[in-house]
Amino acid sequence: KNEVEQSPQNLTAQEGEFITINCSYSVGISALHWLQQHPGGGIVSLFMLSSGKKKHGRLIATINIQEKHSSLHITASHPRDSAVYICGSVGGSYIPTFGRGTSLIVHP
Amino acid sequence: DTGVSQNPRHKITKRGQNVTFRCDPISEHNRLYWYRQTLGQGPEFLTYFQNEAQLEKSRLLSDRFSAERPKGSFSTLEIQRTEQGDSAMYLCASSLVWSSGNTIYFGEGSWLTVV
Repeated sequence: KNEVEQSPQNLTAQEGEFITINCSYSVGISALHWLQQHPGGGIVSLFMLSSGKKKHGRLIATINIQEKHSSLHITASHPRDSAVYICGSVGGSYIPTFGRGTSLIVHP
Repeated sequence: DTGVSQNPRHKITKRGQNVTFRCDPISEHNRLYWYRQTLGQGPEFLTYFQNEAQLEKSRLLSDRFSAERPKGSFSTLEIQRTEQGDSAMYLCASSLVWSSGNTIYFGEGSWLTVV
């Protein structure tokens, strides 16, 4: 069974800080997703990656296939980054399995 | 708007009533997923379709739940004889067939409150 664990569960930061959210998964995967969910429910796909690193603006996602681990980094954090960040892995069944999410609050 | 559309966005129903949610995926996407999300949890897989075929159902999907995608386009999720434990947000997502991995797009969700 594919299980996804995220840490930390909750994170508070000051504006401008560098933020790291971690994701570990239990089985070999074909892809890993990072999602952002704002209050009210809307989910936006931030990254889909299967190896290495991807960057989009202030967001960077990395994955280590051997260690079954991925990280999402936010540089120069801003209050508008406050959201829940969800990691999801895609195994052999091609069905994404998601973690519980990391709730991030960035204070001005 | 060419994103994933869900309706209704909010539904309050009395216990025992039936409810139906509709999802319109991105038009060229042949995979459609239904997830359920409760407060403080990530999305939990319920079922998915490839075109009109329902290929997998989670054990979370009791026999009171049924999903269809009759023409391989929109999908409906029906919950019969609702219970308070069904209160959650029901999320629909779509993507292209998985090869090396494709981005998955979520709708805004349909909130269900069973009173």
